[in-house]
Amino acid sequence: GQQVMQIPQYQHVQEGEDFTTYCNSSTTLSNIQWYKQRPGGHPVFLIQLVKSGEVKKQKRLTFQFGEAKKNSSLHITATQTTDVGTYFCATSSFGNEKLTFGTGTRLTIIP
Amino acid sequence: DVKVTQSSRYLVKRTGEKVFLECVQDMDHENMFWYRQDPGLGLRLIYFSYDVKMKEKGDIPEGYSVSREKKERFSLILESASTNQTSMYLCASSLKDTQYFGPGTRLTVL
Repeated sequence: GQQVMQIPQYQHVQEGEDFTTYCNSSTTLSNIQWYKQRPGGHPVFLIQLVKSGEVKKQKRLTFQFGEAKKNSSLHITATQTTDVGTYFCATSSFGNEKLTFGTGTRLTIIP
Repeated sequence: DVKVTQSSRYLVKRTGEKVFLECVQDMDHENMFWYRQDPGLGLRLIYFSYDVKMKEKGDIPEGYSVSREKKERFSLILESASTNQTSMYLCASSLKDTQYFGPGTRLTVL
């Protein structure tokens, strides 16, 4: 099946700094989804990207899907303590609702 | 709002016990999933079901079975629990590609 590699595994940033996590695949992806899991919580869907080169924004979060549809990134501008958690990328195969998740990036914020 | 509930938040069982983890969703979704989550390994798919009485193995089905007798309910069964099955278990249901997760069950096998 499809595999997605996610880096970094951990990121510690000062509050107010920016944060980026990357998701990479050796094969073309049909779509990419991003989920956020707060400490002690469960993954919550953030967004889905399907088009080559697509960029979507949600307030301070910017999501990009690469031109070749083999990579994606999530960028948070001016992090806040509420951004703490683990961010996962995930992808599904064409015509299949089964998701393959990346290993996640755990973000901690230093106040 | 989609609601996915799991029968227990925390569960402690002994090696060799049969364990049932229940998941219920209220949005008439056809697809349901069971994952386990371990530090550094992300979410790994155990089994999924795309319809009542239909199931498919995920990436790590060994030591687990599932049951889906009704559309809203998907059960994960550990026939004989072992210590390496200590983990966080997450259930999800999906509409199109988006998955909605339950709160999780942290299972400890002693």
